[in-house]
Amino acid sequence: AQSVTQLGSHVSVSEGALVLLRCNYSSSVPPYLFWYVQYPNQGLQLLLKYTTGATLVKGINGFEAEFKKSETSFHLTKPSAHMSDAAEYFCAVSANTGGFKTIFGAGTRLFVKA
Amino acid sequence: DSGVTQTPKHLITATGQRVTLRCSPRSGDLSVYWYQQSLDQGLQFLIHYYNGEERAKGNILERFSAQQFPDLHSELNLSSLELGDSALYFCASSATFGTGELFFGEGSRLTVL
Repeated sequence: AQSVTQLGSHVSVSEGALVLLRCNYSSSVPPYLFWYVQYPNQGLQLLLKYTTGATLVKGINGFEAEFKKSETSFHLTKPSAHMSDAAEYFCAVSANTGGFKTIFGAGTRLFVKA
Repeated sequence: DSGVTQTPKHLITATGQRVTLRCSPRSGDLSVYWYQQSLDQGLQFLIHYYNGEERAKGNILERFSAQQFPDLHSELNLSSLELGDSALYFCASSATFGTGELFFGEGSRLTVL
């Protein structure tokens, strides 16, 4: 079975500061990993994904994440926060265990201060 | 616009009632997923259909059922509703079988009074 743990339900940064959102996963088989963003009153949209290959993955809006198998982590970073980055971010894991379930973490709400 | 359409957007009903939520996936997507989002439970996976067949099941209550029709749209049926079923129900579709991006609809907000 897969699971996802996002450390910190709320993260607050100043505009221009580094954004770091933490995600650890558990999977009995090689996982596929995702970060999604949810703006108020909207559905989730994909920021980036790791399937195979290069462990540093670049996504939209300047976000990137690094898959570290030894640490079972997939932390999301952005060098410089913008006010428009304020949203809720979800880490997700999917794996083939006979069927696919994409399991989401509890989410981290990012606040960006001017 | 993700291309996934969910109806209705808002629904208010009473305990004990039954409702049906509808989802039209993106054109050509064979996979449909249903999720329940609530403040206390977060985003919970309910069920996955691929080309009309149920392929994975999550924490879906026995009072809930779903199906995917030949035209690939899907319906989530919720019966004997309880106050705790109040939540945002999302449908997502995918072109692939599990490994790809999920495209989410805007959700159906269910309020049970």
